[in-house]
Amino acid sequence: GAGVSQSPSNKVTEKGKDVELRCDPISGHTALYWYRQSLGQGLEFLIYFQGNSAPDKSGLPSDRFSAERTGGSVSTLTIQRTQQEDSAVYLCASSLDSSGGNEQFFGPGTRLTVL
Amino acid sequence: RKEVEQDPGPFNVPEGATVAFNCTYSNSASQSFFWYRQDCRKEPKLLMSVYSSGNEDGRFTAQLNRASQYISLLIRDSKLSDSATYLCVVSNAGNNRKLIWGLGTSLAVNP
Repeated sequence: GAGVSQSPSNKVTEKGKDVELRCDPISGHTALYWYRQSLGQGLEFLIYFQGNSAPDKSGLPSDRFSAERTGGSVSTLTIQRTQQEDSAVYLCASSLDSSGGNEQFFGPGTRLTVL
Repeated sequence: RKEVEQDPGPFNVPEGATVAFNCTYSNSASQSFFWYRQDCRKEPKLLMSVYSSGNEDGRFTAQLNRASQYISLLIRDSKLSDSATYLCVVSNAGNNRKLIWGLGTSLAVNP
């Protein structure tokens, strides 16, 4: 079946603009995660969803970052008034549920460049 | 101290070599442990889960030492295609919903 998909694959934007990143999880996966990975760095947890609710938003770097998930499926990560330090690869993952023992399947990521 | 620590490497080894990676974690109550593999400019993919009794998958062997709070990954008869970054991942104790990711260990297998 289809894996996790993300769009766009690449996004170049100017500082101060808003961007919206999309994630389509694997069908039937109730848990969805957003991570950020800067060049040469490890994965930075941003937020996760169980169904449509987000029990843990602790990783969001600032109030410019928000995410939502509708219908227990597609999720969007929105970054308002982008800054150069927001440049990174944004990775989405899904798993069967939010139990820590379940494998997370990753999408190919969205490479965001803020000029 | 970081929650999950790994030697960043890089490890440069010849084909056929045996190489071992270690990872330490800080929270003794952590419950689930994994090794993920990430190729250059690609997304991470699960390599193997790590069980208390240790587990093996072909050329790969994972071990967990709860007393010392470390996890190991052994790769035997390394192949060129094993070149990647290996990420140690631990579930956040008390909140199994969050995985804590190490920064990864870089491996380059040379012909």
